[in-house]
Amino acid sequence: AQSVTQLDSQVPVFEEAPVELRCNYSSSVSVYLFWYVQYPNQGLQLLLKYLSGSTLVKGINGFEAEFNKSQTSFHLRKPSVHISDTAEYFCAVRTYSSASKIIFGSGTRLSIRP
Amino acid sequence: DVKVTQSSRYLVKRTGEKVFLECVQDMDHENMFWYRQDPGLGLRLIYFSYDVKMKEKGDIPEGYSVSREKKERFSLILESASTNQTSMYLCASGGQGSSGANVLTFGAGSRLTVL
Repeated sequence: AQSVTQLDSQVPVFEEAPVELRCNYSSSVSVYLFWYVQYPNQGLQLLLKYLSGSTLVKGINGFEAEFNKSQTSFHLRKPSVHISDTAEYFCAVRTYSSASKIIFGSGTRLSIRP
Repeated sequence: DVKVTQSSRYLVKRTGEKVFLECVQDMDHENMFWYRQDPGLGLRLIYFSYDVKMKEKGDIPEGYSVSREKKERFSLILESASTNQTSMYLCASGGQGSSGANVLTFGAGSRLTVL
């Protein structure tokens, strides 16, 4: 069975600083990978996804993530954060054969300090 | 835009009550999901459905059941609510195929408190 680990439950950063949110997954078969974002008092929305092809994936709001198969990681990065990036970020995984079952990590709360 | 609508934003129920959480999507998606969201635990899959009248258990199905009589509607049922089912419940839907099945659209959530 697949699983997702987000080691950092909270990440505080200063405005305009770079940020990396870590995600590691476990699966014995090939996977699709996702990052979702949940802004305060809102539902989740897709930030970016890796299905195949280039391992560097660009998403909305200047975020990007890199799929590293050897390290089973899919870390999310942004070179310069803004106050509006304050949110909870969830990494998710689906195996090729899981009939649409998508498993989420425990989430990382990103707080931006002015 | 795909819309996923959850019928109740906030509910307060008593232990032992039967609870229905309704979810409707308007984009003819085959796949629908129920997750619960708890602090520090992220989203945990309760049940999902890939077609009308079809359902699959997720990681935490105990104490829950689901119903999908129509393609657009996916209901989560708590037969006898307990305090440990106090949580935020999120419904999501996704299309078919290698691309569509991967992108989930979420509802705003239903916060259930069981007293």
